[in-house]
Amino acid sequence: SQQGEEDPQALSIQEGENATMNCSYKTSINNLQWYRQNSGRGLVHLILIRSNEREKHSGRLRVTLDTSKKSSSLLITASRAADTASYFCATDGDAGGTSYGKLTFGQGTILTVHP
Amino acid sequence: DTAVSQTPKYLVTQMGNDKSIKCEQNLGHDTMYWYKQDSKKFLKIMFSYNNKELIINETVPNRFSPKSPDKAHLNLHINSLELGDSAVYFCASSRTSSGVNEQFFGPGTRLTVL
Repeated sequence: SQQGEEDPQALSIQEGENATMNCSYKTSINNLQWYRQNSGRGLVHLILIRSNEREKHSGRLRVTLDTSKKSSSLLITASRAADTASYFCATDGDAGGTSYGKLTFGQGTILTVHP
Repeated sequence: DTAVSQTPKYLVTQMGNDKSIKCEQNLGHDTMYWYKQDSKKFLKIMFSYNNKELIINETVPNRFSPKSPDKAHLNLHINSLELGDSAVYFCASSRTSSGVNEQFFGPGTRLTVL
């Protein structure tokens, strides 16, 4: 069954604004990853946050993780038209278990950034 | 010097046919995966191989058979294609089978079954 639920399903903003996407999951995890998918392309890894981390930054990206609420958020600051894409969260297995790299993806948030 | 490549990019075929999709990675990774993305963009893992050994085999019809001749290649053969097999199939690889590794995705193969 699907592990991640993403919210909102679609987000439309103007260039320069911040975009926040949320992800909730059901079981305990080892880590959570965020990926971007441009239309008609494969997924590109953005950032990984481990279950013992609460916040992580990479450039204009900020990811938070709240394991007590089983949720994560991805913030893109000062968005650009080139950020237009679908964004997916993916969780890795049950905490302490061996997942063999099995990622379970959320349904994704479609982000549109208008110039 | 594409990292993960797939062929073909598009595949249109009739119900009942057998088809194959090929995947190659030049990253020196040990682990490769096949994912299926449906029309609602839901992405689900199908198989994973680590150094040519099958390590993940999700609930997938046995009409789907992966083959890994070496750790740089993972092919997917589909027998007796059905309408419901229409989807985009992505190959991916990671350095090892540990979940802390990022996965590198190929460009996808859009399969349309008529």
